[in-house]
Amino acid sequence: LAKTTQPISMDSYEGQEVNITCSHNNIATNDYITWYQQFPSQGPRFIIQGYKTKVTNEVASLFIPADRKSSTLSLPRVSLSDTAVYYCLVGDLYNFNKFYFGSGTKLNVKP
Amino acid sequence: SQTIHQWPATLVQPVGSPLSLECTVEGTSNPNLYWYRQAAGRGLQLLFYSVGIGQISSEVPQNLSASRPQDRQFILSSKKLLLSDSGFYLCAWSTQGARGANVLTFGAGSRLTVL
Repeated sequence: LAKTTQPISMDSYEGQEVNITCSHNNIATNDYITWYQQFPSQGPRFIIQGYKTKVTNEVASLFIPADRKSSTLSLPRVSLSDTAVYYCLVGDLYNFNKFYFGSGTKLNVKP
Repeated sequence: SQTIHQWPATLVQPVGSPLSLECTVEGTSNPNLYWYRQAAGRGLQLLFYSVGIGQISSEVPQNLSASRPQDRQFILSSKKLLLSDSGFYLCAWSTQGARGANVLTFGAGSRLTVL
């Protein structure tokens, strides 16, 4: 599985757009990129998944360049409730995956 | 819709006592099942995974074991708990083979404190 690298932490203020970048240099052809959000004392929950270019849902956008060696999770107009740890994972969509979580990015949104 | 149940939510156990955490999934068949542990302030560590009934793979040598007696039931056990077994235990499931698949869905977690 492709290893991912993310910043350990980020600070932001309410109302700002936050971009969290994940590096996955060894991503394979069949790998998709999935982002999760985790609040304290809860399990991670799915945010968004993509393969290439741009994916948008009601929560976030995911930008993936042509070489797919990185991806950027974009959270528009964050609020205090977006304070959480964000994980980027890479895995094959069609075969079994052992999902390894890295340290994630701790996003701290300030008022 | 699919749901995942995990219990107990919280437990405090003495060192040397046994452990049994249970996880069940509803609304899907033949899911891949996972057990993770998260120590305080740390990331998630994959402990066990299962691709079918009776098929268990261990990621980390440890004091724990897992079993899958039924398709949608996953159990984490220990015969004798250690202090280092304390943590937040999370069960998760996924399926594969279609767009939007291979997304992990987690249970609410079980917080274990070993004293």
